[in-house]
Amino acid sequence: GAGVSQSPSNKVTEKGKDVELRCDPISGHTALYWYRQRLGQGLEFLIYFQGNSAPDKSGLPSDRFSAERTGESVSTLTIQRTQQEDSAVYLCASSSQTRETEAFFGQGTRLTVV
Amino acid sequence: KNQVEQSPQSLIILEGKNCTLQCNYTVSPFSNLRWYKQDTGRGPVSLTIMTFSENTKSNGRYTATLDADTKQSSLHITASQLSDSASYICVVSEEGGGNKLTFGTGTQLKVEL
Repeated sequence: GAGVSQSPSNKVTEKGKDVELRCDPISGHTALYWYRQRLGQGLEFLIYFQGNSAPDKSGLPSDRFSAERTGESVSTLTIQRTQQEDSAVYLCASSSQTRETEAFFGQGTRLTVV
Repeated sequence: KNQVEQSPQSLIILEGKNCTLQCNYTVSPFSNLRWYKQDTGRGPVSLTIMTFSENTKSNGRYTATLDADTKQSSLHITASQLSDSASYICVVSEEGGGNKLTFGTGTQLKVEL
């Protein structure tokens, strides 16, 4: 596609349920990033993929969070047993391996845990 | 560990005033630095890119500077407008190794009447 696509755009879930957030990066972009952004706060790094590997997953806040990427394309962020503090906008960005690479962001998934 | 720190965390200014946002980084080896603007409810978009050899670059009312020796960058906004209200994010690219990007947490700017 022309840009980074995230789905769903909005998700309301009950506390304790599992959720899956999807990111379709720009075709050919080898790097993919997941960030979390709470209301009025800055970007909080979650995980970085280079191809299908995740050399940096240091930002995942707990073992309830996991992510995978397949075919050097789509990535899924899974949150198990959601808690209210998981409520945030989850942003995905992708970039190429060119020297002056620019990160392109999706519109985010707004997750609300009730 | 590569880090990008931004200051201030938030800023409120009156319309028409100027402001300067700061970015300090430890990313090495350095490739380039970008400033992004994130409007409320939208994803960040790139404003400007600074490479190692560039000291200053302007994009309209936005002027970015880079001091590669001290590993500092600034974004100066002149004659602010209400539409400048947004989060400004500094992102530094690592030379080689897939050009990994390290993102700052951003400065939240609010321009008021």
